[in-house]
Formats: sequence, structure tokens, C-alpha cells
Amino acid sequence: AQTVTQSQPEMSVQEAETVTLSCTYDTSESDYYLFWYKQPPSRQMILVIRQEAYKQQNATENRFSVNFQKAAKSFSLKISDSQLGDAAMYFCAYCTVQGAQKLVFGQGTRLTINP
Amino acid sequence: DAGITQSPRHKVTETGTPVTLRCHQTENHRYMYWYRQDPGHGLRLIHYSYGVKDTDKGEVSDGYSVSRSKTEDFLLTLESATSSQTSVYFCAISGTGTYEQYFGPGTRLTVT
Repeated sequence: AQTVTQSQPEMSVQEAETVTLSCTYDTSESDYYLFWYKQPPSRQMILVIRQEAYKQQNATENRFSVNFQKAAKSFSLKISDSQLGDAAMYFCAYCTVQGAQKLVFGQGTRLTINP
Repeated sequence: DAGITQSPRHKVTETGTPVTLRCHQTENHRYMYWYRQDPGHGLRLIHYSYGVKDTDKGEVSDGYSVSRSKTEDFLLTLESATSSQTSVYFCAISGTGTYEQYFGPGTRLTVT
């Protein structure tokens, strides 16, 4: 079974600076998807970015980018120019392409932005 | 935003009572999922559905049952609620071949 590990329960960063959240996963599959979700205090789960395992190029979405290292099974999220609205829990998730497209989540990292 | 709603949004119930949570989508997506969120555990899959009347167990299915009689509705039932089922419950939907899941607003359930 696949597992996802986020080793940083909490992180903090100064506003306007850059922060990187770590995620590692374990799988024997060669094709899969990886995601980062954001959960602000409102509790809503918001998709931040996705990465397809067969693509070499790292995904980017505005100030959010990933560093995908397939051989190392690592998938970190970089947030540039941090803003107060980025404060949230961030979850890394793995999705198999087999069957019912189930997600496996990491435990989450709570990100605090210091003004 | 994906058209997905959950009801109720908050519920307090007593141990031993039955509880049903409803998830409704307007996206006509094939896949629907129920998760629970607890501190230190992230989100864990309870049950999922891959079509009308087609459901299967997830990682933490004990004490829960589900039903899907229409594409748009996915019900989660706690037959006899226990305090260990106090949690926040999320429904999610996904289209075939798109892989990302879109989440409802969540239901906070407290079992006293």
C-alpha cells in the first residue's frame, strides 16, 4: 500500500519570503499523480497544484511550484513571496491511476506566516 | 468551484444513535468519496463509490456504511454512533481520468 509522509508538523515564514514544505511517499507504481491541498481555517480543502509522475517538468501555479524527484520519491512544495493568506494546513496526497483513483494523504504541515 | 454540498454542516448526537450524512454533487462525476479528518492523521478514506450502487471500503470503514442510489447523492451512515466517530467528515468527487478530487465543505460531527 502507498504511504505519504510529511515530516514537518509546523513551519513558519516571514511575509514575502520563500518557504518549502516537504513530502515523501512510498509506492511500487510507475504511473501516479501527486497533489498539494491547502486547508485554511475555513476548513475548505483547496487544490493547490498537481504533478503527473510521467512528466519530468515540475508543475508551477503562480507563486506555487513543486520539486518532484521521482527516484527519491520526494515531492516538495515551494511557496514564493509568502502572503498572509497562505497561512493554512497543507496536505500532500498521492493518487493511483489504477481503479477508483483513491487519494492517500500525508499528516499535514501547518504553515504560519509572520507579518 | 465544484458543485458539491454536504448536509448537515454540524451535528451533535448521542452515543448509540444512528446518523446519516449526505453528500450532493451537481457535476455528474462518477467517483465519490467519504473521508474523516482527525488531528495528526490527515484525511483517511472511509468508503468510496465508482458508480450508482457500486461502493467499496476504504482504510477506516468499520462502523460505517454507505449508499449511492443516484449519481448525485452519496450517503454515509453511522448505524450506532460512538465517541470515536467524533470527527470532521468530508465528501469528495472526481471525474474519470482527471484524478484530482474536489471537496465539500465538511461536516463536524460530535458524539457525546
